[in-house]
Amino acid sequence: GQNIDQPTEMTATEGAIVQINCTYQTSGFNGLFWYQQHAGEAPTFLSYNVLDGLEEKGRFSSFLSRSKGYSYLLLKELQMKDSASYLCAVPMFSGGYNKLIFGAGTRLAVHP
Amino acid sequence: DTAVSQTPKYLVTQMGNDKSIKCEQNLGHDTMYWYKQDSKKFLKIMFSYNNKELIINETVPNRFSPKSPDKAHLNLHINSLELGDSAVYFCASSQLSPAGLNSPLHFGNGTRLTVT
Repeated sequence: GQNIDQPTEMTATEGAIVQINCTYQTSGFNGLFWYQQHAGEAPTFLSYNVLDGLEEKGRFSSFLSRSKGYSYLLLKELQMKDSASYLCAVPMFSGGYNKLIFGAGTRLAVHP
Repeated sequence: DTAVSQTPKYLVTQMGNDKSIKCEQNLGHDTMYWYKQDSKKFLKIMFSYNNKELIINETVPNRFSPKSPDKAHLNLHINSLELGDSAVYFCASSQLSPAGLNSPLHFGNGTRLTVT
């Protein structure tokens, strides 16, 4: 089965750094995705990790530890526009195909 | 523009009615999906089609019937709408590889369905 946990809400200050954690339990592992979703909009892809370690992409970085079933998304130099929900997602293999299972998302509010 | 587009953006209807949502992608992907996002913002897969073939069918009431006339289109028809069907429905597409789902999903802008 699949179980994905992430905090429901977080708040942070503009210019600061925030880390959003995600823990997962899967019967197999085929990578982990992070998506960003602004209120009333579609989720958009941020990052994909399949190997252990940190992947950096501008102000956003994503870390994975497969042995611990743990990932985090690190947002640096926070801007007001970073206020959004951040969704952790893992593929689950079922019936010969993969389907992407999402966590409940972490709502991040960035304050001035 | 290359994208996943779905219509309508908003749908308000009464209980018992039948409605359809249309989705089209011009990204050349071979797999398309329907996801439902409820009031708690939980995004849950409903269906997936690969090259017009149904490959994933979660435990969705049979009032929901997807149709894929070709690999660029995936429509969703809902019969006898109920209050609990109120949600945002997202269409998405991706390219499956032999290694599995390791390419990102591209989402449409969603259809906000309100059943009164």
